[in-house]
Amino acid sequence: GAGVSQSPRYKVAKRGQDVALRCDPISGHVSLFWYQQALGQGPEFLTYFQNEAQLDKSGLPSDRFFAERPEGSVSTLKIQRTQQEDSAVYLCASSLALAGTSSTDTQYFGPGTRLTVL
Amino acid sequence: GNSVTQMEGPVTLSEEAFLTINCTYTATGYPSLFWYVQYPGEGLQLLLKATKADDKGSNKGFEATYRKETTSFHLEKGSVQVSDSAVYFCALRFTGTASKLTFGTGTRLQVTL
Repeated sequence: GAGVSQSPRYKVAKRGQDVALRCDPISGHVSLFWYQQALGQGPEFLTYFQNEAQLDKSGLPSDRFFAERPEGSVSTLKIQRTQQEDSAVYLCASSLALAGTSSTDTQYFGPGTRLTVL
Repeated sequence: GNSVTQMEGPVTLSEEAFLTINCTYTATGYPSLFWYVQYPGEGLQLLLKATKADDKGSNKGFEATYRKETTSFHLEKGSVQVSDSAVYFCALRFTGTASKLTFGTGTRLQVTL
């Protein structure tokens, strides 16, 4: 079946522009995560959704970052007034179960969106 | 806080050589441990996992054993192939609400003929 998809794959923005990054999780997956991966680093957690509820946004670096999942499926990560330090790969992951219900629940990652802010 | 430390890369090996990528962690409690792999141009894929002390995860010839006493989860493979060239990430996760993964910085492996 289809995996996690993300669009666009590449995005170039001028500093100060707003961007929207889309994630299509695997159908039926309850949990959805966003991570930010800076060049040469490991992914870092941004936010987590359980269906349409955003249960943890502790990793969002500033109030310029906003995420939503209004119908419990597709999610959008929006970055307002982009800055150069926002340049990174943004990864989306989904998992079947409610986070925390199984120690072995696997997160499936999309290919990421590479954001470059000029 | 929770953290994962991996050996720095790149690691360059000849085909059929033995591979070890070191990973240690710092955490309060006993997390589940994972190795993810990122092939060029592709997304992160789960390679193997272990959920409790002394568990051994294995897949595609790779192995890692959860060592509570040394807080380690080193990745090993007896004979690497060119197709194993990728970036390998060690990660931990606790069972609980928002079971986010905490990753190391990744180790690039290059295997040559």
